[in-house]
Amino acid sequence: SYELTQPPSVSVSPRQTARITCSGDALPRQYSYWYQQKPGQAPILVIYKDSERPSGIPERFSGSSSGTTVTLTISGVQAEDEADYYCQSADSSGTWVFGGGTKLTVL
Amino acid sequence: QVQLVQSGTEVKKPGASVKVSCKASGYTFTNYGISWVRQAPGQGLEWMGWISAYNGNTDYAQRFQGRVTMTTDTSTTTAYMELRSLRSDDTAIYFCARDPCSGNTCSSYWGQGTLVTVSS
Repeated sequence: SYELTQPPSVSVSPRQTARITCSGDALPRQYSYWYQQKPGQAPILVIYKDSERPSGIPERFSGSSSGTTVTLTISGVQAEDEADYYCQSADSSGTWVFGGGTKLTVL
Repeated sequence: QVQLVQSGTEVKKPGASVKVSCKASGYTFTNYGISWVRQAPGQGLEWMGWISAYNGNTDYAQRFQGRVTMTTDTSTTTAYMELRSLRSDDTAIYFCARDPCSGNTCSSYWGQGTLVTVSS
């Protein structure tokens, strides 16, 4: 079955830049989406279609794509950005797939 | 505003079935599909399947085929997910999520989650 691979954890100091990667063979052909999830809450979409930002999401969140890897970048990380982040895409049949999630720790 | 409100906590015994509801409001129900995603304690997100609220077409993740049924009731704008033959590893929070995109823009529309505990 199709898999998306994320690092389990990323740590960054406040005001620094955090980069979270997601790798998958179909990513050159399928859009990626990024979700932020804080404890006890439903996920929130922070990036869609590789690099677009939903209304209300701070500008410090951005997305990019290169080959089989997509990257979520958080510039000027704030304490409130500490959360789990999941990439999501689709396989060749359009079935959703989630990455394993990355825990972002703000030091 | 778009809202998805899910039914409450469930406790079930192994082998039983559970049916979780997701009441939608604030948009034209039949214009969007609904996905179901679950999250076991301390684990990541797992997509279970999708249903079109327009015509009831479904797409289930292979690992749930034969054990899950997703339906919608357009008269009450409610989506349902039934999972049968429950096992202890089905203990999880179950979320419904509306198709996020309308035209070229997307946003986040998820229910609050329903905790299902499977225990003897």
